[in-house]
Amino acid sequence: GQQLNQSPQSMFIQEGEDVSMNCTSSSIFNTWLWYKQDPGEGPVLLIALYKAGELTSNGRLTAQFGITRKDSFLNISASIPSDVGIYFCAGLYAGNNRKLIWGLGTSLAVNP
Amino acid sequence: DAGITQSPRHKVTETGTPVTLRCHQTENHRYMYWYRQDPGHGLRLIHYSYGVKDTDKGEVSDGYSVSRSKTEDFLLTLESATSSQTSVYFCAISEPGNTIYFGEGSWLTVV
Repeated sequence: GQQLNQSPQSMFIQEGEDVSMNCTSSSIFNTWLWYKQDPGEGPVLLIALYKAGELTSNGRLTAQFGITRKDSFLNISASIPSDVGIYFCAGLYAGNNRKLIWGLGTSLAVNP
Repeated sequence: DAGITQSPRHKVTETGTPVTLRCHQTENHRYMYWYRQDPGHGLRLIHYSYGVKDTDKGEVSDGYSVSRSKTEDFLLTLESATSSQTSVYFCAISEPGNTIYFGEGSWLTVV
């Protein structure tokens, strides 16, 4: 099935550093979603983006819907140990019965 | 808490046996989904439902069937479990125009 190109695949950073990850697609989406998954749990929605160029924040997290509608970015500022986990992007076409297209995830490790 | 309950949360079963996973929601959402998650493949859609008795196949539907007789319940059945169906299964819900929320997962091991 179709998947998004999510990068980087993994990151190992020091506590306090900023983090950036992105997703790209060959197709245009109407919605971009960012999720975080902790071990043994389901993905939890972090940020939803609905309009090209939209920039939305959730605490230390900021995500942007690319102008081309084919990409999205997630930034985490001043990382802390509880930011550890896997971050997934997902895109949604208009009118496809709401079937998400997923990236394979970015695994984030934070060294205290 | 998105009001989604999956059961069982953990199950070990033998090859060839039938297995049913249940997803129950308290949000009265129209759309419900079953995903499986495997290393290297991410989240893959098995089946989804857009209303009572209305279901459709996802990208990895072979070997799985679903039923939705009530708004709140969406059942995933493995008619004859195989080792390749060992996975983590996630139920999700959404409403048109809104985002998708996930349950906590059901870990299935087929031995």
